[in-house]
Amino acid sequence: DSGVTQTPKHLITATGQRVTLRCSPRSGDLSVYWYQQSLDQGLQFLIQYYNGEERAKGNILERFSAQQFPDLHSELNLSSLELGDSALYFCASSAGLAGGYEQFFGPGTRLTVL
Amino acid sequence: GQNIDQPTEMTATEGAIVQINCTYQTSGFNGLFWYQQHAGEAPTFLSYNVLDGLEEKGRFSSFLSRSKGYSYLLLKELQMKDSASYLCAVRVPTGGGNKLTFGTGTQLKVEL
Repeated sequence: DSGVTQTPKHLITATGQRVTLRCSPRSGDLSVYWYQQSLDQGLQFLIQYYNGEERAKGNILERFSAQQFPDLHSELNLSSLELGDSALYFCASSAGLAGGYEQFFGPGTRLTVL
Repeated sequence: GQNIDQPTEMTATEGAIVQINCTYQTSGFNGLFWYQQHAGEAPTFLSYNVLDGLEEKGRFSSFLSRSKGYSYLLLKELQMKDSASYLCAVRVPTGGGNKLTFGTGTQLKVEL
């Protein structure tokens, strides 16, 4: 158990819908990262937040947005869902912006878009 | 752009040693990581290298040559439970933060 929690574990929805994925980092970790893992693309970095502020952006679509709240939990919002958005979405946390080098991954949310 | 290459699949025998190679070309470098991932599960951290040389951690060792853009993960005394995907990832400074850029993973199959 990494100490990172994600809810829900599974999510099935239809095209065009909007969903919210939730992540709680390890106690004391200030950085939260979101990743998407699909069968054909591997693990892709989406976005990083540090202590409530966006710090780094990867291949995140405009239909996707994220935020980190004062209690440090984070939410990833996916809207206008398409079939291709079906994937495993992982959240990871680390202690600092760059230090505390190891990222600890949560169990993931499996999103299925029908 | 970022490019990380590792073999797609490898097969090895229980009790043996296997080396998984990774080459990278990235815009910036702030450390190289190896993660293990079983199907449908979260990646788990195995090793970290930021300086050239070998880091040993029990049955797992990882080597880095920054000048060659090359790393390998060495697994000794293979066990059946080591059958998994092994992900090489480079931490790249980006804006005010960092991102991990992952290779597509090496699927290791350990056989009797």
